[in-house]
Amino acid sequence: SAVISQKPSRDICQRGTSLTIQCQVDSQVTMMFWYRQQPGQSLTLIATANQGSEATYESGFVIDKFPISRPNLTFSTLTVSNMSPEDSSIYLCSVAANQGSYNEQFFGPGTRLTVL
Amino acid sequence: EDKVVQSPLSLVVHEGDTVTLNCSYEVTNFRSLLWYKQEKKAPTFLFMLTSSGIEKKSGRLSSILDKKELFSILNITATQTGDSAVYLCAVGGSNYKLTFGKGTLLTVNP
Repeated sequence: SAVISQKPSRDICQRGTSLTIQCQVDSQVTMMFWYRQQPGQSLTLIATANQGSEATYESGFVIDKFPISRPNLTFSTLTVSNMSPEDSSIYLCSVAANQGSYNEQFFGPGTRLTVL
Repeated sequence: EDKVVQSPLSLVVHEGDTVTLNCSYEVTNFRSLLWYKQEKKAPTFLFMLTSSGIEKKSGRLSSILDKKELFSILNITATQTGDSAVYLCAVGGSNYKLTFGKGTLLTVNP
């Protein structure tokens, strides 16, 4: 399976600021996914990021709040904009194991964000 | 809307016990069911199931899917303290999206 890294591992931010989370994969992947896990909750898909096209956002998530970049097949960023305490969550990127099996996803180590 | 329900929500056992975790689902255009183990932050992939009645096994862990009754179970035999974690069930549909359940918190005491 692909080796996935995320930066930062954790951060504590002030409300109103923005944080960009990076996700790096050691091999080229077509689809990358960004999830959020709020305290005590399960994972919720924010958006799907394909290289060379706009990200596809799930209901309840908008590009202005969570802009995503996907400049190449090994890298993506998620920005959490104008943060509030409700954005305190673990943010995870994942990649599909292989083309044709997009459900089989492997996750990065996650970014734990606390907003004060 | 796709839905995944896991039970129990939490479970406390002693080392050596066998546990069964349950996952039921409703999903449009079902493709697969996945089990993950989550310790700290990152979910670790355990199994992906696509066919009914075929058991997948890895060491002391095994899982099976029933597509007629829309559920799956994850069994862990001879539990160890290192098995303590949240076990997540997720279902994938044709749009590549994974819908997760809330997880089962398993605590294995020595």
